[in-house]
Amino acid sequence: EIVLTQSPGTLSLSPGERATLSCRASQSLSSNSLAWYQQKPGQAPGLLMYDASRRATGIPDRFRGSGSGTDFTLTISRLEPEDFAVYYCQQYGGSVPWTFGQGTKVEIK
Amino acid sequence: QVHLQQSGPGLVKPSQTLSLTCAISGDRVSSDSATWNWIRQSPSRGLEWLGRTYHRSKWYNDYAVSVSSRISIDPDTSKNLFSLQLNSVTPEDTAVYFCARGLTRYFDLWGRGTLVTVSS
Repeated sequence: EIVLTQSPGTLSLSPGERATLSCRASQSLSSNSLAWYQQKPGQAPGLLMYDASRRATGIPDRFRGSGSGTDFTLTISRLEPEDFAVYYCQQYGGSVPWTFGQGTKVEIK
Repeated sequence: QVHLQQSGPGLVKPSQTLSLTCAISGDRVSSDSATWNWIRQSPSRGLEWLGRTYHRSKWYNDYAVSVSSRISIDPDTSKNLFSLQLNSVTPEDTAVYFCARGLTRYFDLWGRGTLVTVSS
């Protein structure tokens, strides 16, 4: 089973600042098989990015995914008030089980 | 527009069976391009993929090893839904349970979630 480690656990930033979230896999992910999700309190996670760098439908271009192999990054160029949430990465390389990172909380400083 | 509607009890007694359903609108459970998944979330275990059912000329299932001896995910084509059954539950199975559609292998659509508490 592939383990995903996200860092930092919490990111305290102000609106307008840049957020950089990291996700590291315990083994290399084939075809950059990594997705990012955003979750707000009381809601289900929502898909942000897939295949490491492809934005899901309707996701604004201030969200950017990058990386390959075992190291991946989600960057939010300028935080909007609605971006304060918890972010999860998920791997789908190889075969099941698909696994998630433990999450990074982006909170208002 | 595709929508997933979850239903099922929020309280289950220890050793009994947790049963949830996920009704699909706007897509088909028998689609040859989607998978239909159950995922749970708890403070102790985080987001945990439990398993899936999907149709590719015939029906397939995959389950997480952690629950493989106790789980069943089944499609119901007549009602266009899929269900989760988790047997012999313990308090460790207390979580929010989500159904989700898989496109290739990531999840593009989620149900709203059902908090299931295992308690006597």
